[in-house]
Amino acid sequence: GQNIDQPTEMTATEGAIVQINCTYQTSGFNGLFWYQQHAGEAPTFLSYNVLDGLEEKGRFSSFLSRSKGYSYLLLKELQMKDSASYLCAAVNSNYQLIWGAGTKLIIKP
Amino acid sequence: TAGITQAPTSQILAAGRSMTLRCTQDMRHNAMYWYRQDLGLGLRLIHYSNTAGTTGKGEVPDGYSVSRANTDDFPLTLASAVPSQTSVYFCASSETTGGGTDTQYFGPGTRLTVL
Repeated sequence: GQNIDQPTEMTATEGAIVQINCTYQTSGFNGLFWYQQHAGEAPTFLSYNVLDGLEEKGRFSSFLSRSKGYSYLLLKELQMKDSASYLCAAVNSNYQLIWGAGTKLIIKP
Repeated sequence: TAGITQAPTSQILAAGRSMTLRCTQDMRHNAMYWYRQDLGLGLRLIHYSNTAGTTGKGEVPDGYSVSRANTDDFPLTLASAVPSQTSVYFCASSETTGGGTDTQYFGPGTRLTVL
């Protein structure tokens, strides 16, 4: 079967760094997306990785290891506005996105 | 630009009634999607359309139908609603004709409650 695993909830402190992990098992693999979703709002795109390694985009970075079926999203210099759910989604061989349930990130002052 | 709009924002529907959720995009994207999002579960694909005139079934298509008469509109119809269809429904679009690696852009969602 196809499965995406990510922690249900994480808590971090304003100004700190947090890493949100995602492991995936899909029929074929054509890349991995990270989206941010604030409560009551639509998901918005953060990153897409298809090659192994780290991609940095401002305070956010995303890492992929295809051999391990593993990705993480790294958020630096956390701000209160980063409180949201972070969704991991892998693209399978049919080019459909398989979504994780999301990680709710709580930022404390 | 508006991007993707959905209507209504929320709706309470009696079981057995029919309803159409509307979705319109102004980005001239070829591919469009309907997802449902339930607490504790990931987004699940209901139906998709790679280009105007074509549609396909996703992971959870039963009880839902779609049409794609033109590029901009992708309505989702519940023929006879049941309580298990209570969910938040998101419409999304992407530029590709179904390659899947293009970024998907989401509408604001419709919160549907079936009683």
